[in-house]
Amino acid sequence: AQSVSQHNHHVILSEAASLELGCNYSYGGTVNLFWYVQYPGQHLQLLLKYFSGDPLVKGIKGFEAEFIKSKFSFNLRKPSVQWSDTAEYFCAVNRDNNNDMRFGAGTRLTVKP
Amino acid sequence: GAGVSQSPRYKVAKRGQDVALRCDPISGHVSLFWYQQALGQGPEFLTYFQNEAQLDKSGLPSDRFFAERPEGSVSTLKIQRTQQEDSAVYLCASSLALAGAPVKTQYFGPGTRLLVL
Repeated sequence: AQSVSQHNHHVILSEAASLELGCNYSYGGTVNLFWYVQYPGQHLQLLLKYFSGDPLVKGIKGFEAEFIKSKFSFNLRKPSVQWSDTAEYFCAVNRDNNNDMRFGAGTRLTVKP
Repeated sequence: GAGVSQSPRYKVAKRGQDVALRCDPISGHVSLFWYQQALGQGPEFLTYFQNEAQLDKSGLPSDRFFAERPEGSVSTLKIQRTQQEDSAVYLCASSLALAGAPVKTQYFGPGTRLLVL
């Protein structure tokens, strides 16, 4: 079945550590890629998105993601995490000209102060 | 400006009871989506509206689930004869883009947490 996979269910880091969260999808064709973040008690917020062009996308709060088409991947990175980055992170894929968005199961990030 | 709002934020229902969940999208957003998010999972697509037309309802899990958007703005998701497996967070999202447009960023509401006892 076509799906979106997030490899890490729960990641625990200390402040200033580097972060990389994996995301792979299995859809063929043109896709739009997203990372959403959900801070404790808050709703889903868009972190960054890729539609076309430069495969390295920069988002808010120092996050970036790289689209590697050959690997069907869209990994999220941040060079130095902060305690305030503690949240749940969701990768999502929307096939071009398609209505629905498919989400991964999410990765819970805990940053220790 | 105002984001997507949903009400109620929390709903406890007895098994067999009907519930109605409301979504107010961002003003001017053409597209509206409903998702179901079970505990520990990512959101799963339920249905999609473009204005008042329900163009895709392939994700609705059973005929007990019904959604409407009669005037192309506010939407209601109704669940009839609720079952325990319906317990989840129900998310609404809206998007400015029309179907077929290349950019489809969706903006999410806070969700309604439904607990069926």
